[in-house]
Amino acid sequence: QVRLQQSGPGLVKPSQTLSLTCAISGDSVSSTSAAWSWIRQSPSRGLEWLGRTYYRSKWYYDYAVAVKSRITINPDTSNNQFSLQLNSVTPDDTAVYYCARTYCDSTRCHITFDYWGQGTLVTVSS
Amino acid sequence: QSALTQPASVSGSPGQSITISCTGTSSDVGGYNLVSWYQQHPGKAPKLMIYDVDKRPSGVSNRFSGSKSGNTASLTISGLQAEDEANYHCCSYVSSRTWVFGGGTKVTVL
Repeated sequence: QVRLQQSGPGLVKPSQTLSLTCAISGDSVSSTSAAWSWIRQSPSRGLEWLGRTYYRSKWYYDYAVAVKSRITINPDTSNNQFSLQLNSVTPDDTAVYYCARTYCDSTRCHITFDYWGQGTLVTVSS
Repeated sequence: QSALTQPASVSGSPGQSITISCTGTSSDVGGYNLVSWYQQHPGKAPKLMIYDVDKRPSGVSNRFSGSKSGNTASLTISGLQAEDEANYHCCSYVSSRTWVFGGGTKVTVL
């Protein structure tokens, strides 16, 4: 059974960097049958996919256009986890943040977001 | 990338069938058979109910079914039960290796 456990601060000041970590059990961040995403949810925007990382002989990264200039997702193979960094945050970045897995077969990643973390409410406020 | 369009709310009586629509464009819903649906109860993480337009993960009731026609995908819940009351979100792959969600639909069991 795959389990995703999120950690990180719930309060970030405007202009600073939001940092969250998602620890994986029951699977591997380096698995060639998975991709690892960050998704957020706010009342104003609903669910919003932010980006993902996955390993296929090398690491790949895909990011949503809306946050591409501010986001970094990093795998941590030593601790079997991956992280989210979102720079220069504003109150508009206040949301519940989730990590999630996508299962991939030999041809494509298509069983999207089959496992989710518990969610972390991050509030951007001074 | 604009969010997919879902009705804000849908309701039905126990035992009835309801259908939730999810409208996009030829660049997302209409262009790929990569539409998924999620059920979310208040305060909980979303749960995958349908992937690849019409496939159910193991453990999901066969009362849930998905379909697609052109740029609109649909989720049908048959034999509506009280436990189906939740928010439902659609999601689609978009060209350039990104994903987009719908705004969510609140399902009320009357």
